[in-house]
Amino acid sequence: DGGITQSPKYLFRKEGQNVTLSCEQNLNHDAMYWYRQDPGQGLRLIYYSQIVNDFQKGDIAEGYSVSREKKESFPLTVTSAQKNPTAFYLCASSIGGTSSYEQYFGPGTRLTVT
Amino acid sequence: GEDVEQSLFLSVREGDSSVINCTYTDSSSTYLYWYKQEPGAGLQLLTYIFSNMDMKQDQRLTVLLNKKDKHLSLRIADTQTGDSAIYFCAEKNYGGSQGNLIFGKGTKLSVKP
Repeated sequence: DGGITQSPKYLFRKEGQNVTLSCEQNLNHDAMYWYRQDPGQGLRLIYYSQIVNDFQKGDIAEGYSVSREKKESFPLTVTSAQKNPTAFYLCASSIGGTSSYEQYFGPGTRLTVT
Repeated sequence: GEDVEQSLFLSVREGDSSVINCTYTDSSSTYLYWYKQEPGAGLQLLTYIFSNMDMKQDQRLTVLLNKKDKHLSLRIADTQTGDSAIYFCAEKNYGGSQGNLIFGKGTKLSVKP
């Protein structure tokens, strides 16, 4: 089955620790995205990547980092510099950068930092 | 800047029609989407419409687009309890440098039996 997987579904960390969220897709999509969702809010773009070894900051990139070493993988690291890391994180992918019109989402990872 | 607005809540009775409304500001938007999110889950693409269309129908779903007023609506016919979820409107600017989607805050649809 083709799709996007995110792991783990729930993640707990102590304040001051970095944590990496996994996102894998087997859809052969070129573009991948990370969004953050807070209660009662829409989705806000953190980072996106249109091609391997390239990525751009979204609207709220501060305190986050990403890498795109493989087409199918786009891990997100939440660093200790992120002031309010507790949120629901969603990964998405699409066929190809700005020409694509459909983004497919993973099931999300709920991160709680105490 | 770009902005997408939705009302936050909608409550309907099972069997009635639901109409979820959305307004957007970017006149150059080329694609407009409706996503559904069930509790604790990711977003599921329901349907989308190109900006040169006025209407799109897909089974129980009807999307209406008024480009002049920058107004988009999603009508769900014969609403069922399984339709209870948060519905997000999103727009994509084809000419934008990012190519990402701009989301509204979502409309929580509650379906009462």
